[in-house]
Amino acid sequence: EADIYQTPRYLVIGTGKKITLECSQTMGHDKMYWYQQDPGMELHLIHYSYGVNSTEKGDLSSESTVSRIRTEHFPLTLESARPSHTSQYLCASRPNGRDYGYTFGSGTRLTVV
Amino acid sequence: AQSVSQHNHHVILSEAASLELGCNYSYGGTVNLFWYVQYPGQHLQLLLKYFSGDPLVKGIKGFEAEFIKSKFSFNLRKPSVQWSDTAEYFCAVSVMDSSYKLIFGSGTRLLVRP
Repeated sequence: EADIYQTPRYLVIGTGKKITLECSQTMGHDKMYWYQQDPGMELHLIHYSYGVNSTEKGDLSSESTVSRIRTEHFPLTLESARPSHTSQYLCASRPNGRDYGYTFGSGTRLTVV
Repeated sequence: AQSVSQHNHHVILSEAASLELGCNYSYGGTVNLFWYVQYPGQHLQLLLKYFSGDPLVKGIKGFEAEFIKSKFSFNLRKPSVQWSDTAEYFCAVSVMDSSYKLIFGSGTRLLVRP
């Protein structure tokens, strides 16, 4: 059972709406990540965080923004959703240090119509 | 830039056949290596990982992988697949800087026919 939770699991929303995808973990991990996955494609890193008050852009440019006010919470926001934002968004976390694995959430499948 | 290549995008096998999925990475430094599996409608699950030591690592559900440093490869193997192995398989490399971000391959979609 994953200890990282993403809500909502599925979201269909109209163009121009503001949305926030939630990600929470109960493991006290410092490192958190957001990946974007289009169907049949690899996962691309769009944001990550080293810890509280730290956010960095990932390898794939994204119009979304993130915040990290609490260790356990790493929400992703789209100010104005567009059909090009339709994708699956996966949140992950890991502890600090070299030899650790990652825990992934179940993902949010976003459809913008 | 670091990258991960998975050469087989779609693989179709019959039950009991042997499986080998290729994975090559381009990164000259120290890496941690992972194989993840994503069953239909489910989240990513860790199959196995390599950090150091024995280059032949065993994971869950009878999977294993071999790290060959000279070939920058980390191929996934299973001697005898089952219908329940139908899933998408992702190879990933962890960059050994302070971010420890994962770089994923494009995935291999495996279909096992009963």
